[in-house]
Amino acid sequence: AQKVTQAQTEISVVEKEDVTLDCVYETRDTTYYLFWYKQPPSGELVFLIRRNSFDEQNEISGRYSWNFQKSTSSFNFTITASQVVDSAVYFCAPLGGGATNKLIFGTGTLLAVQP
Amino acid sequence: SAVISQKPSRDICQRGTSLTIQCQVDSQVTMMFWYRQQPGQSLTLIATANQGSEATYESGFVIDKFPISRPNLTFSTLTVSNMSPEDSSIYLCSVEIAGPAYNEQFFGPGTRLTVL
Repeated sequence: AQKVTQAQTEISVVEKEDVTLDCVYETRDTTYYLFWYKQPPSGELVFLIRRNSFDEQNEISGRYSWNFQKSTSSFNFTITASQVVDSAVYFCAPLGGGATNKLIFGTGTLLAVQP
Repeated sequence: SAVISQKPSRDICQRGTSLTIQCQVDSQVTMMFWYRQQPGQSLTLIATANQGSEATYESGFVIDKFPISRPNLTFSTLTVSNMSPEDSSIYLCSVEIAGPAYNEQFFGPGTRLTVL
């Protein structure tokens, strides 16, 4: 079974600040994938980034970057130079490598970016 | 990627009634999923709907309460039966698309249900 912990319930930052969202996961799968989704106030889920368990190289994509540490089971997500439009709930979700392919969502972190 | 639409986008229903939510995808997909998101909560998987077979329900969800149909590879319905105020949630469908290295999941816009 998989479990996700997003310890930060709410974060408030001022525009242009950098912000890191934490995610710690538990899984028994040896191969798995990790996702971050964003849910703005309108309610739709927007895919942000994904990572494979066998590739610990951290990357940057525009204002987004992520830090995947398999040894500590953490998959943190950073937004650089935050903008008001980044205000949303952010969900971390591991996807098992088994046949079920079920996403298990964390409790989410509400990010409020103040102008 | 996939374009997913859901109908209705929102509804307000009376206790004891039933509502059927439709999910339409612009391409053929094998696996479709139905999630529930209660107010202020995370997403919880209700069931996996594969074409040609009965849906597989997660713990805590039963077919009598949430019957699902999957008549073809682009369409599915979820019915919320005998509704109570506790069923007030956002219901989202998602689909799995095969990618070059792994499968991805895309989500519909959701159906906001309020039960009075």
